[in-house]
Amino acid sequence: GQQLNQSPQSMFIQEGEDVSMNCTSSSIFNTWLWYKQDPGEGPVLLIALYKAGELTSNGRLTAQFGITRKDSFLNISASIPSDVGIYFCAGLNSGGSNYKLTFGKGTLLTVNP
Amino acid sequence: DGGITQSPKYLFRKEGQNVTLSCEQNLNHDAMYWYRQDPGQGLRLIYYSQIVNDFQKGDIAEGYSVSREKKESFPLTVTSAQKNPTAFYLCASSITAGTGNEQYFGPGTRLTVT
Repeated sequence: GQQLNQSPQSMFIQEGEDVSMNCTSSSIFNTWLWYKQDPGEGPVLLIALYKAGELTSNGRLTAQFGITRKDSFLNISASIPSDVGIYFCAGLNSGGSNYKLTFGKGTLLTVNP
Repeated sequence: DGGITQSPKYLFRKEGQNVTLSCEQNLNHDAMYWYRQDPGQGLRLIYYSQIVNDFQKGDIAEGYSVSREKKESFPLTVTSAQKNPTAFYLCASSITAGTGNEQYFGPGTRLTVT
């Protein structure tokens, strides 16, 4: 199946620092989603992007849908300890009966207080 | 409260036994999905259902079966034919399948087979 390249795999930062992570694909997507997963829990949707070039914020989180439709990034500003978790990007194609989300392998974020 | 429930949270089975994982949603969503998550991996789609009494195989359907007799429920059976059943299983739903419809996840069931 399709693959999303998500980077970095892990990040160790100090509380208060800004964080940036991104996903790239060889295929075009027409929806990008960003999720956060706490240990042992299901992913929680953070931000959904539907248009190339779209920049969307949710509190301290900002995500962008790349203009080529093959990439997306997520920024977290002024990180706090509860930001710890795994962040996943996911892309959805249009056309036909392809309703499958393709997930990146995740970015593990650790925030040192 | 609207949401997706999965039960149980933890499940232990002996090798060779079939086991059924429950997924219920009260969001009035048409589409439901089952994913498998292994350590350090992204989510992989097992089966999905766009509407009642219809479902399609995902990327890793072998050794699994599903049913969709009610809109609210999409149980997953892990059969003895599944070679590596130990994993974290996640159920999700969306208003409909397709573009523009975000998928929302349940809390997951961790299955351990020994």
